[in-house]
Amino acid sequence: ILNVEQSPQSLHVQEGDSTNFTCSFPSSNFYALHWYRWETAKSPEALFVMTLNGDEKKKGRISATLNTKEGYSYLYIKGSQPEDSATYLCAQRGHFGNEKLTFGTGTRLTIIP
Amino acid sequence: NAGVTQTPKFRILKIGQSMTLQCTQDMNHNYMYWYRQDPGMGLKLIYYSVGAGITDKGEVPNGYNVSRSTTEDFPLRLELAAPSQTSVYFCASSHRLTGNNQPQHFGDGTRLSIL
Repeated sequence: ILNVEQSPQSLHVQEGDSTNFTCSFPSSNFYALHWYRWETAKSPEALFVMTLNGDEKKKGRISATLNTKEGYSYLYIKGSQPEDSATYLCAQRGHFGNEKLTFGTGTRLTIIP
Repeated sequence: NAGVTQTPKFRILKIGQSMTLQCTQDMNHNYMYWYRQDPGMGLKLIYYSVGAGITDKGEVPNGYNVSRSTTEDFPLRLELAAPSQTSVYFCASSHRLTGNNQPQHFGDGTRLSIL
């Protein structure tokens, strides 16, 4: 079983500030790391799927980096906006789990106007 | 494209009743999944399927059954509802492509309460 941990559990950020949070995962048996954005009362939406050590992906003001050797990924949000308020989930897929993902418990981000 | 559609959105059951949560996708995805989401616990995999006729257990399969008779549909069955099954259930699907690095697409969820 893969243990995926996210920190912090929750975060309040002033509108306009930048922020980042962490996803930690076992570096052995790594295959891919997923990030999802989950707004309240909606379904999770995929942000990034990352596989290569050192990989960096960007979508608008949101970006993510991946370190597979030490087992962590950072998600960055630049210039936070109220619409960024959501829970951000990461999930790891291991080599021997077919398409199964193991999810972290998420970081709940609240942007203060 | 409707994506992943779950029905019903809400349901209240009595202990011991049975019901089927429906999930259908129109993206021709091979892989489908059922998760439950409990407060502070993230998403836990109940069952998954890699194609029609093939299903396998996830982390928390006890008390549930699934079937995959078609590519589109992946219903989740609760035979004897228990209070511990009160949760929000999400169905998801993903495409099988070379490299298998495809994100999962989620339905809107079914909120189930067992009283």
